[in-house]
Amino acid sequence: GAVVSQHPSRVICKSGTSVKIECRSLDFQATTMFWYRQFPKKSLMLMATSNEGSKATYEQGVEKDKFLINHASLTLSTLTVTSAHPEDSSFYICSAIGERGNNEQFFGPGTRLTVL
Amino acid sequence: AQSVTQLGSHVSVSEGALVLLRCNYSSSVPPYLFWYVQYPNQGLQLLLKYTTGATLVKGINGFEAEFKKSETSFHLTKPSAHMSDAAEYFCAVKGTGRRALTFGSGTRLQVQP
Repeated sequence: GAVVSQHPSRVICKSGTSVKIECRSLDFQATTMFWYRQFPKKSLMLMATSNEGSKATYEQGVEKDKFLINHASLTLSTLTVTSAHPEDSSFYICSAIGERGNNEQFFGPGTRLTVL
Repeated sequence: AQSVTQLGSHVSVSEGALVLLRCNYSSSVPPYLFWYVQYPNQGLQLLLKYTTGATLVKGINGFEAEFKKSETSFHLTKPSAHMSDAAEYFCAVKGTGRRALTFGSGTRLQVQP
C-alpha cells in the first residue's frame, strides 16, 4: 500500500518559536493532502486541505496565519505552527490522496508537538 | 453536511468474545464509510471501507462491518477478540462532494485476558 511519512515524529519547543512538520508521500504522487489535529483522547479534526500548487483551504476556526501550509510538490506538504503556544500542543496527522482515483486516504504516523 | 456518532467511548471485552463497535452516521448524500484503527502514538490504519455494492464489508484482521442504510449504521464486528485488537477505533464518513473525512469521536477497545 501507499506510504505517508511525517517528520519529525516528536518535537518539543519553547513558547514563541515556530515549528515545521513535513508530510511526504513516499511511493505515490499526492494530489491532495489533509492536515488533522487530534487532542488527547479525542477524535481527529480537519484543519485544512492542501492541494499542490495552490493555497490551502482552511476549516472554519483554524487560523491561517498561525498554521501555515505549503504544498510545494506532489510528494511534500508542510505545516508550520508559527509562534507556538502551549495550547498548540497536540498530535498532528497528515493524510494524502493519490492518483488512483478511488479517493482513499493514506495517513502518516503523526507528529506529537509539545510546546513548553 | 456529514456527522458520525460512535456510541460508547470505551468498550471492554474478554479475549475470544465478540467485538461490536457501533457507528451511526448522517449524510445528505450517499456516503462512503470507513473504519480506522489507531495504536498509541501512531497514525491511522484503514480496517475497511464501504463505497458501493455489497453492504457487508470484510476488512483486515478479521473485522467486518455492515452498511445499513435504513438504520444509518455501519457497525464494526469481529467474532473473536484478540489481545492485539486493543486500540482506538474511528468510524469516518465522506460525502461524494467532499474529499476530507469526518471522524467520529472514537471508541477505545480493551481486551481482557
